[in-house]
Amino acid sequence: GENVEQHPSTLSVQEGDSAVIKCTYSDSASNYFPWYKQELGKRPQLIIDIRSNVGEKKDQRIAVTLNKTAKHFSLHITETQPEDSAVYFCAASEGGGFKTIFGAGTRLFVKA
Amino acid sequence: DGGITQSPKYLFRKEGQNVTLSCEQNLNHDAMYWYRQDPGQGLRLIYYSQIVNDFQKGDIAEGYSVSREKKESFPLTVTSAQKNPTAFYLCASTRTNTEAFFGQGTRLTVV
Repeated sequence: GENVEQHPSTLSVQEGDSAVIKCTYSDSASNYFPWYKQELGKRPQLIIDIRSNVGEKKDQRIAVTLNKTAKHFSLHITETQPEDSAVYFCAASEGGGFKTIFGAGTRLFVKA
Repeated sequence: DGGITQSPKYLFRKEGQNVTLSCEQNLNHDAMYWYRQDPGQGLRLIYYSQIVNDFQKGDIAEGYSVSREKKESFPLTVTSAQKNPTAFYLCASTRTNTEAFFGQGTRLTVV
């Protein structure tokens, strides 16, 4: 079955700097790759997603890139702000699209 | 107002007791999921269901059971066989290859 690995587990950046979180997946049939943000004590919420027919997608300060050949995808946050501090999860939908497997999460700290 | 609702928000279980966590969605989603989250940890899949009356084990199904008698409902029972049940439990629902919507979670504590 699908296995998703996420790095780093913790990331600390200065306000205004960029943050990059990387994930790899194992199932070449996976075709949907969402990213979720979970603030302390709250539910995870989608921040951006990408499908396998696209190499890059951007939404304001957030971008995601996908390399299907290497089976990895990354989240890029530019001009980080203290409110970006949270846990970020990558995920991949296994072939067929129903079983979603999450990475272990990255705890991002943005220092003011 | 469409969404996914979990109850209760907090639950306390005595040793040897079975408890059931509720999850209801009115988003008309086919698939529903249960994840377990431990402090500082990621989301581990317990069970998922693609359609009514069918469900599949995830990575950590031992000590848990589910049912899917209605499209809207996917309750999770934490049985006495689950030796370390204290955790935050999240229910989610999706359509095929789309965003997962999560409930607000149930924090289960063994007392």
